Amino acid sequence: QQKVQQSPESLSVPEGGMASLNCTSSDRNFQYFWWYRQHSGEGPKALMSIFSDGDKKEGRFTAHLNKASLHVSLHIRDSQPSDSALYFCAASATSSGQKLVFGQGTILKVYL
Amino acid sequence: ETAVFQTPNYHVTQVGNEVSFNCKQTLGHDTMYWYKQDSKKLLKIMFSYNNKQLIVNETVPRRFSPQSSDKAHLNLRIKSVEPEDSAVYLCASSYGLGQDTQYFGPGTRLLVL
Repeated sequence: QQKVQQSPESLSVPEGGMASLNCTSSDRNFQYFWWYRQHSGEGPKALMSIFSDGDKKEGRFTAHLNKASLHVSLHIRDSQPSDSALYFCAASATSSGQKLVFGQGTILKVYL
Repeated sequence: ETAVFQTPNYHVTQVGNEVSFNCKQTLGHDTMYWYKQDSKKLLKIMFSYNNKQLIVNETVPRRFSPQSSDKAHLNLRIKSVEPEDSAVYLCASSYGLGQDTQYFGPGTRLLVL
């Protein structure tokens, strides 16, 4: 069973709209979370990390973490066509030696 | 701007052959990783090295062997490839073993016929 579950599998939003991606962990050892984005033919690129409960904002991207429910979300406001990509949630535990566990990904499509 | 370099970009080979992939990072990081991304885009860690020492060795077939010559280089050798080895192999690096962001290379796509 996947220890990091993402939803939805795919998402379509209009240009300028808000995209919301979700991620839930089933392992309470996971305390550190990242969001990565992967465009076709490229490697994943880190968007942001979040380690504390609450919101973290970087430009158009806002991540929210609730450690009690092991839920992390990513919200992209004013979505652009260039935001169309595969988004991964990744988690690690304090004792894992930086071993990242990735979710299965959410495909985001931003249409004109 | 790319700071984790992988060669080759793409490799096609026959079942039973040996292949080797190279990775170099110019970020001055101490830790490097190999991940496998399958046809469904699932990403799984295979190995990680910190200062040339093996830190993480996931359950991968013994035909896979990482090779670290220095902190900036981590290669991956596959002896006697199998069809299920067809995938994208991604190299990454991070500053240390703490909660540091990992930076990925563009990947090497392997196709085993």
